[in-house]
Order: sequence, then structure tokens, then C-alpha cells
Amino acid sequence: QQPVQSPQAVILREGEDAVINCSSSKALYSVHWYRQKHGEAPVFLMILLKGGEQKGHEKISASFNEKKQQSSLYLTASQLSYSGTYFCGTGDKIIFGKGTRLHILP
Amino acid sequence: GAGVSQSPSNKVTEKGKDVELRCDPISGHTALYWYRQSLGQGLEFLIYFQGNSAPDKSGLPSDRFSAERTGGSVSTLTIQRTQQEDSAVYLCASSLAPAGGPYEQYFGPGTRLTVT
Repeated sequence: QQPVQSPQAVILREGEDAVINCSSSKALYSVHWYRQKHGEAPVFLMILLKGGEQKGHEKISASFNEKKQQSSLYLTASQLSYSGTYFCGTGDKIIFGKGTRLHILP
Repeated sequence: GAGVSQSPSNKVTEKGKDVELRCDPISGHTALYWYRQSLGQGLEFLIYFQGNSAPDKSGLPSDRFSAERTGGSVSTLTIQRTQQEDSAVYLCASSLAPAGGPYEQYFGPGTRLTVT
């Protein structure tokens, strides 16, 4: 079952914050987050394995609410390098959501 | 060390022809995945290999698509009688173990397939 991501697209000015949500109709045991820049392969950001687990990667962090079957990715004080499409993935065979396009303006 | 490699990087074929796409995973990675990404779209799951278990083929869009993994390493995705809607970037990824565990996927650079 494909997870649902929201919003579909975000435009920010450098330094602003963003939240990307990922939800599933099925029970979640893990959530993966990846970022893909235009013309490149997706790159791993983080995996969340337990309900309530939070992780951070530079100024990018994520939370996982197992009960609500959702995860959120937080980008604080965004930088130009954060532009790209963000995907969440769930399940053993990793089914990805449709992605959230993030564009950072200088 | 070497990452995931895919060949060819680009393939242009005529409608109706068969194509083979190759993926060399990272050595020691037991899990291997194929995805398809159409222009501007998301990552569509195709097939998943894990060790010696039977592959999960639930994402293959039609019986024209097949994949095999020889010796638990190299994988080949074959598309028979290609159609224009098969045009996309085909991405391969590998990981140390099933993705339900704490293991990240490493993606190859992809093969861009164009069917004319």
C-alpha cells in the first residue's frame, strides 16, 4: 500500500522551515526518508524504526508516530542545497510515496 | 568501496524490441530492488529480491517484464516487446538486509530507457 505524502510541493525562501508528512493506512513498523535531486538517484536521509522515534540529520529531523501511522520530516532554517524531491518509503519491499517537491529560493 | 552500478546508462530501442537492463549491487548486500521512475513522477516499485527467497514480483506491470538475480548478486531486468509507455528511468537499489530492518538502500545511477 503506497503511503500518502503531503504537501505535493513546497516553495520556501532560504532560512524558512518546512514540514513534510507521510501517512499510511497500514500499520507502520519503519519509515525511510530519501531525497532526490533533479537528474540524480535518491539519497538516503534516515530510517525511523520505533514509534515515537526521532532522528536528526544536520538541520533535517523526523518523527514517527506508530499509533497514528504517520511520520513527519522537519527541515529547519532551509538551505539552497535542500531543494529536491523528498520521498518516504514503508514496508519490507519499500513502497514509496509520490514525493514532495521542495524548492528553496535565495 | 564501489557503489551500485547499472548498465547501460542510456538505452534507445524501437517499439516491439526486447531490452535487458543490468544491475550490480554492492558486494555483500542481500536485498535488491528495482524501481521505475517516469518523467517527473515518483518511484514505482517493480520487484524485490532477498537472499535465496522467492522474489516479490507484485509490482511488475505486465508479463512482458521479468527479472532474475544470479548467484545472489547481479540482477537483470528484461522487458519484452517494449512499448512507448515503458520509457522511464529504471533504478536499482541494494541493501544489507530487508528494508524492514535498520538498513538503508543504496541506489544506482539508473538506466534511462527510451522506446521510439
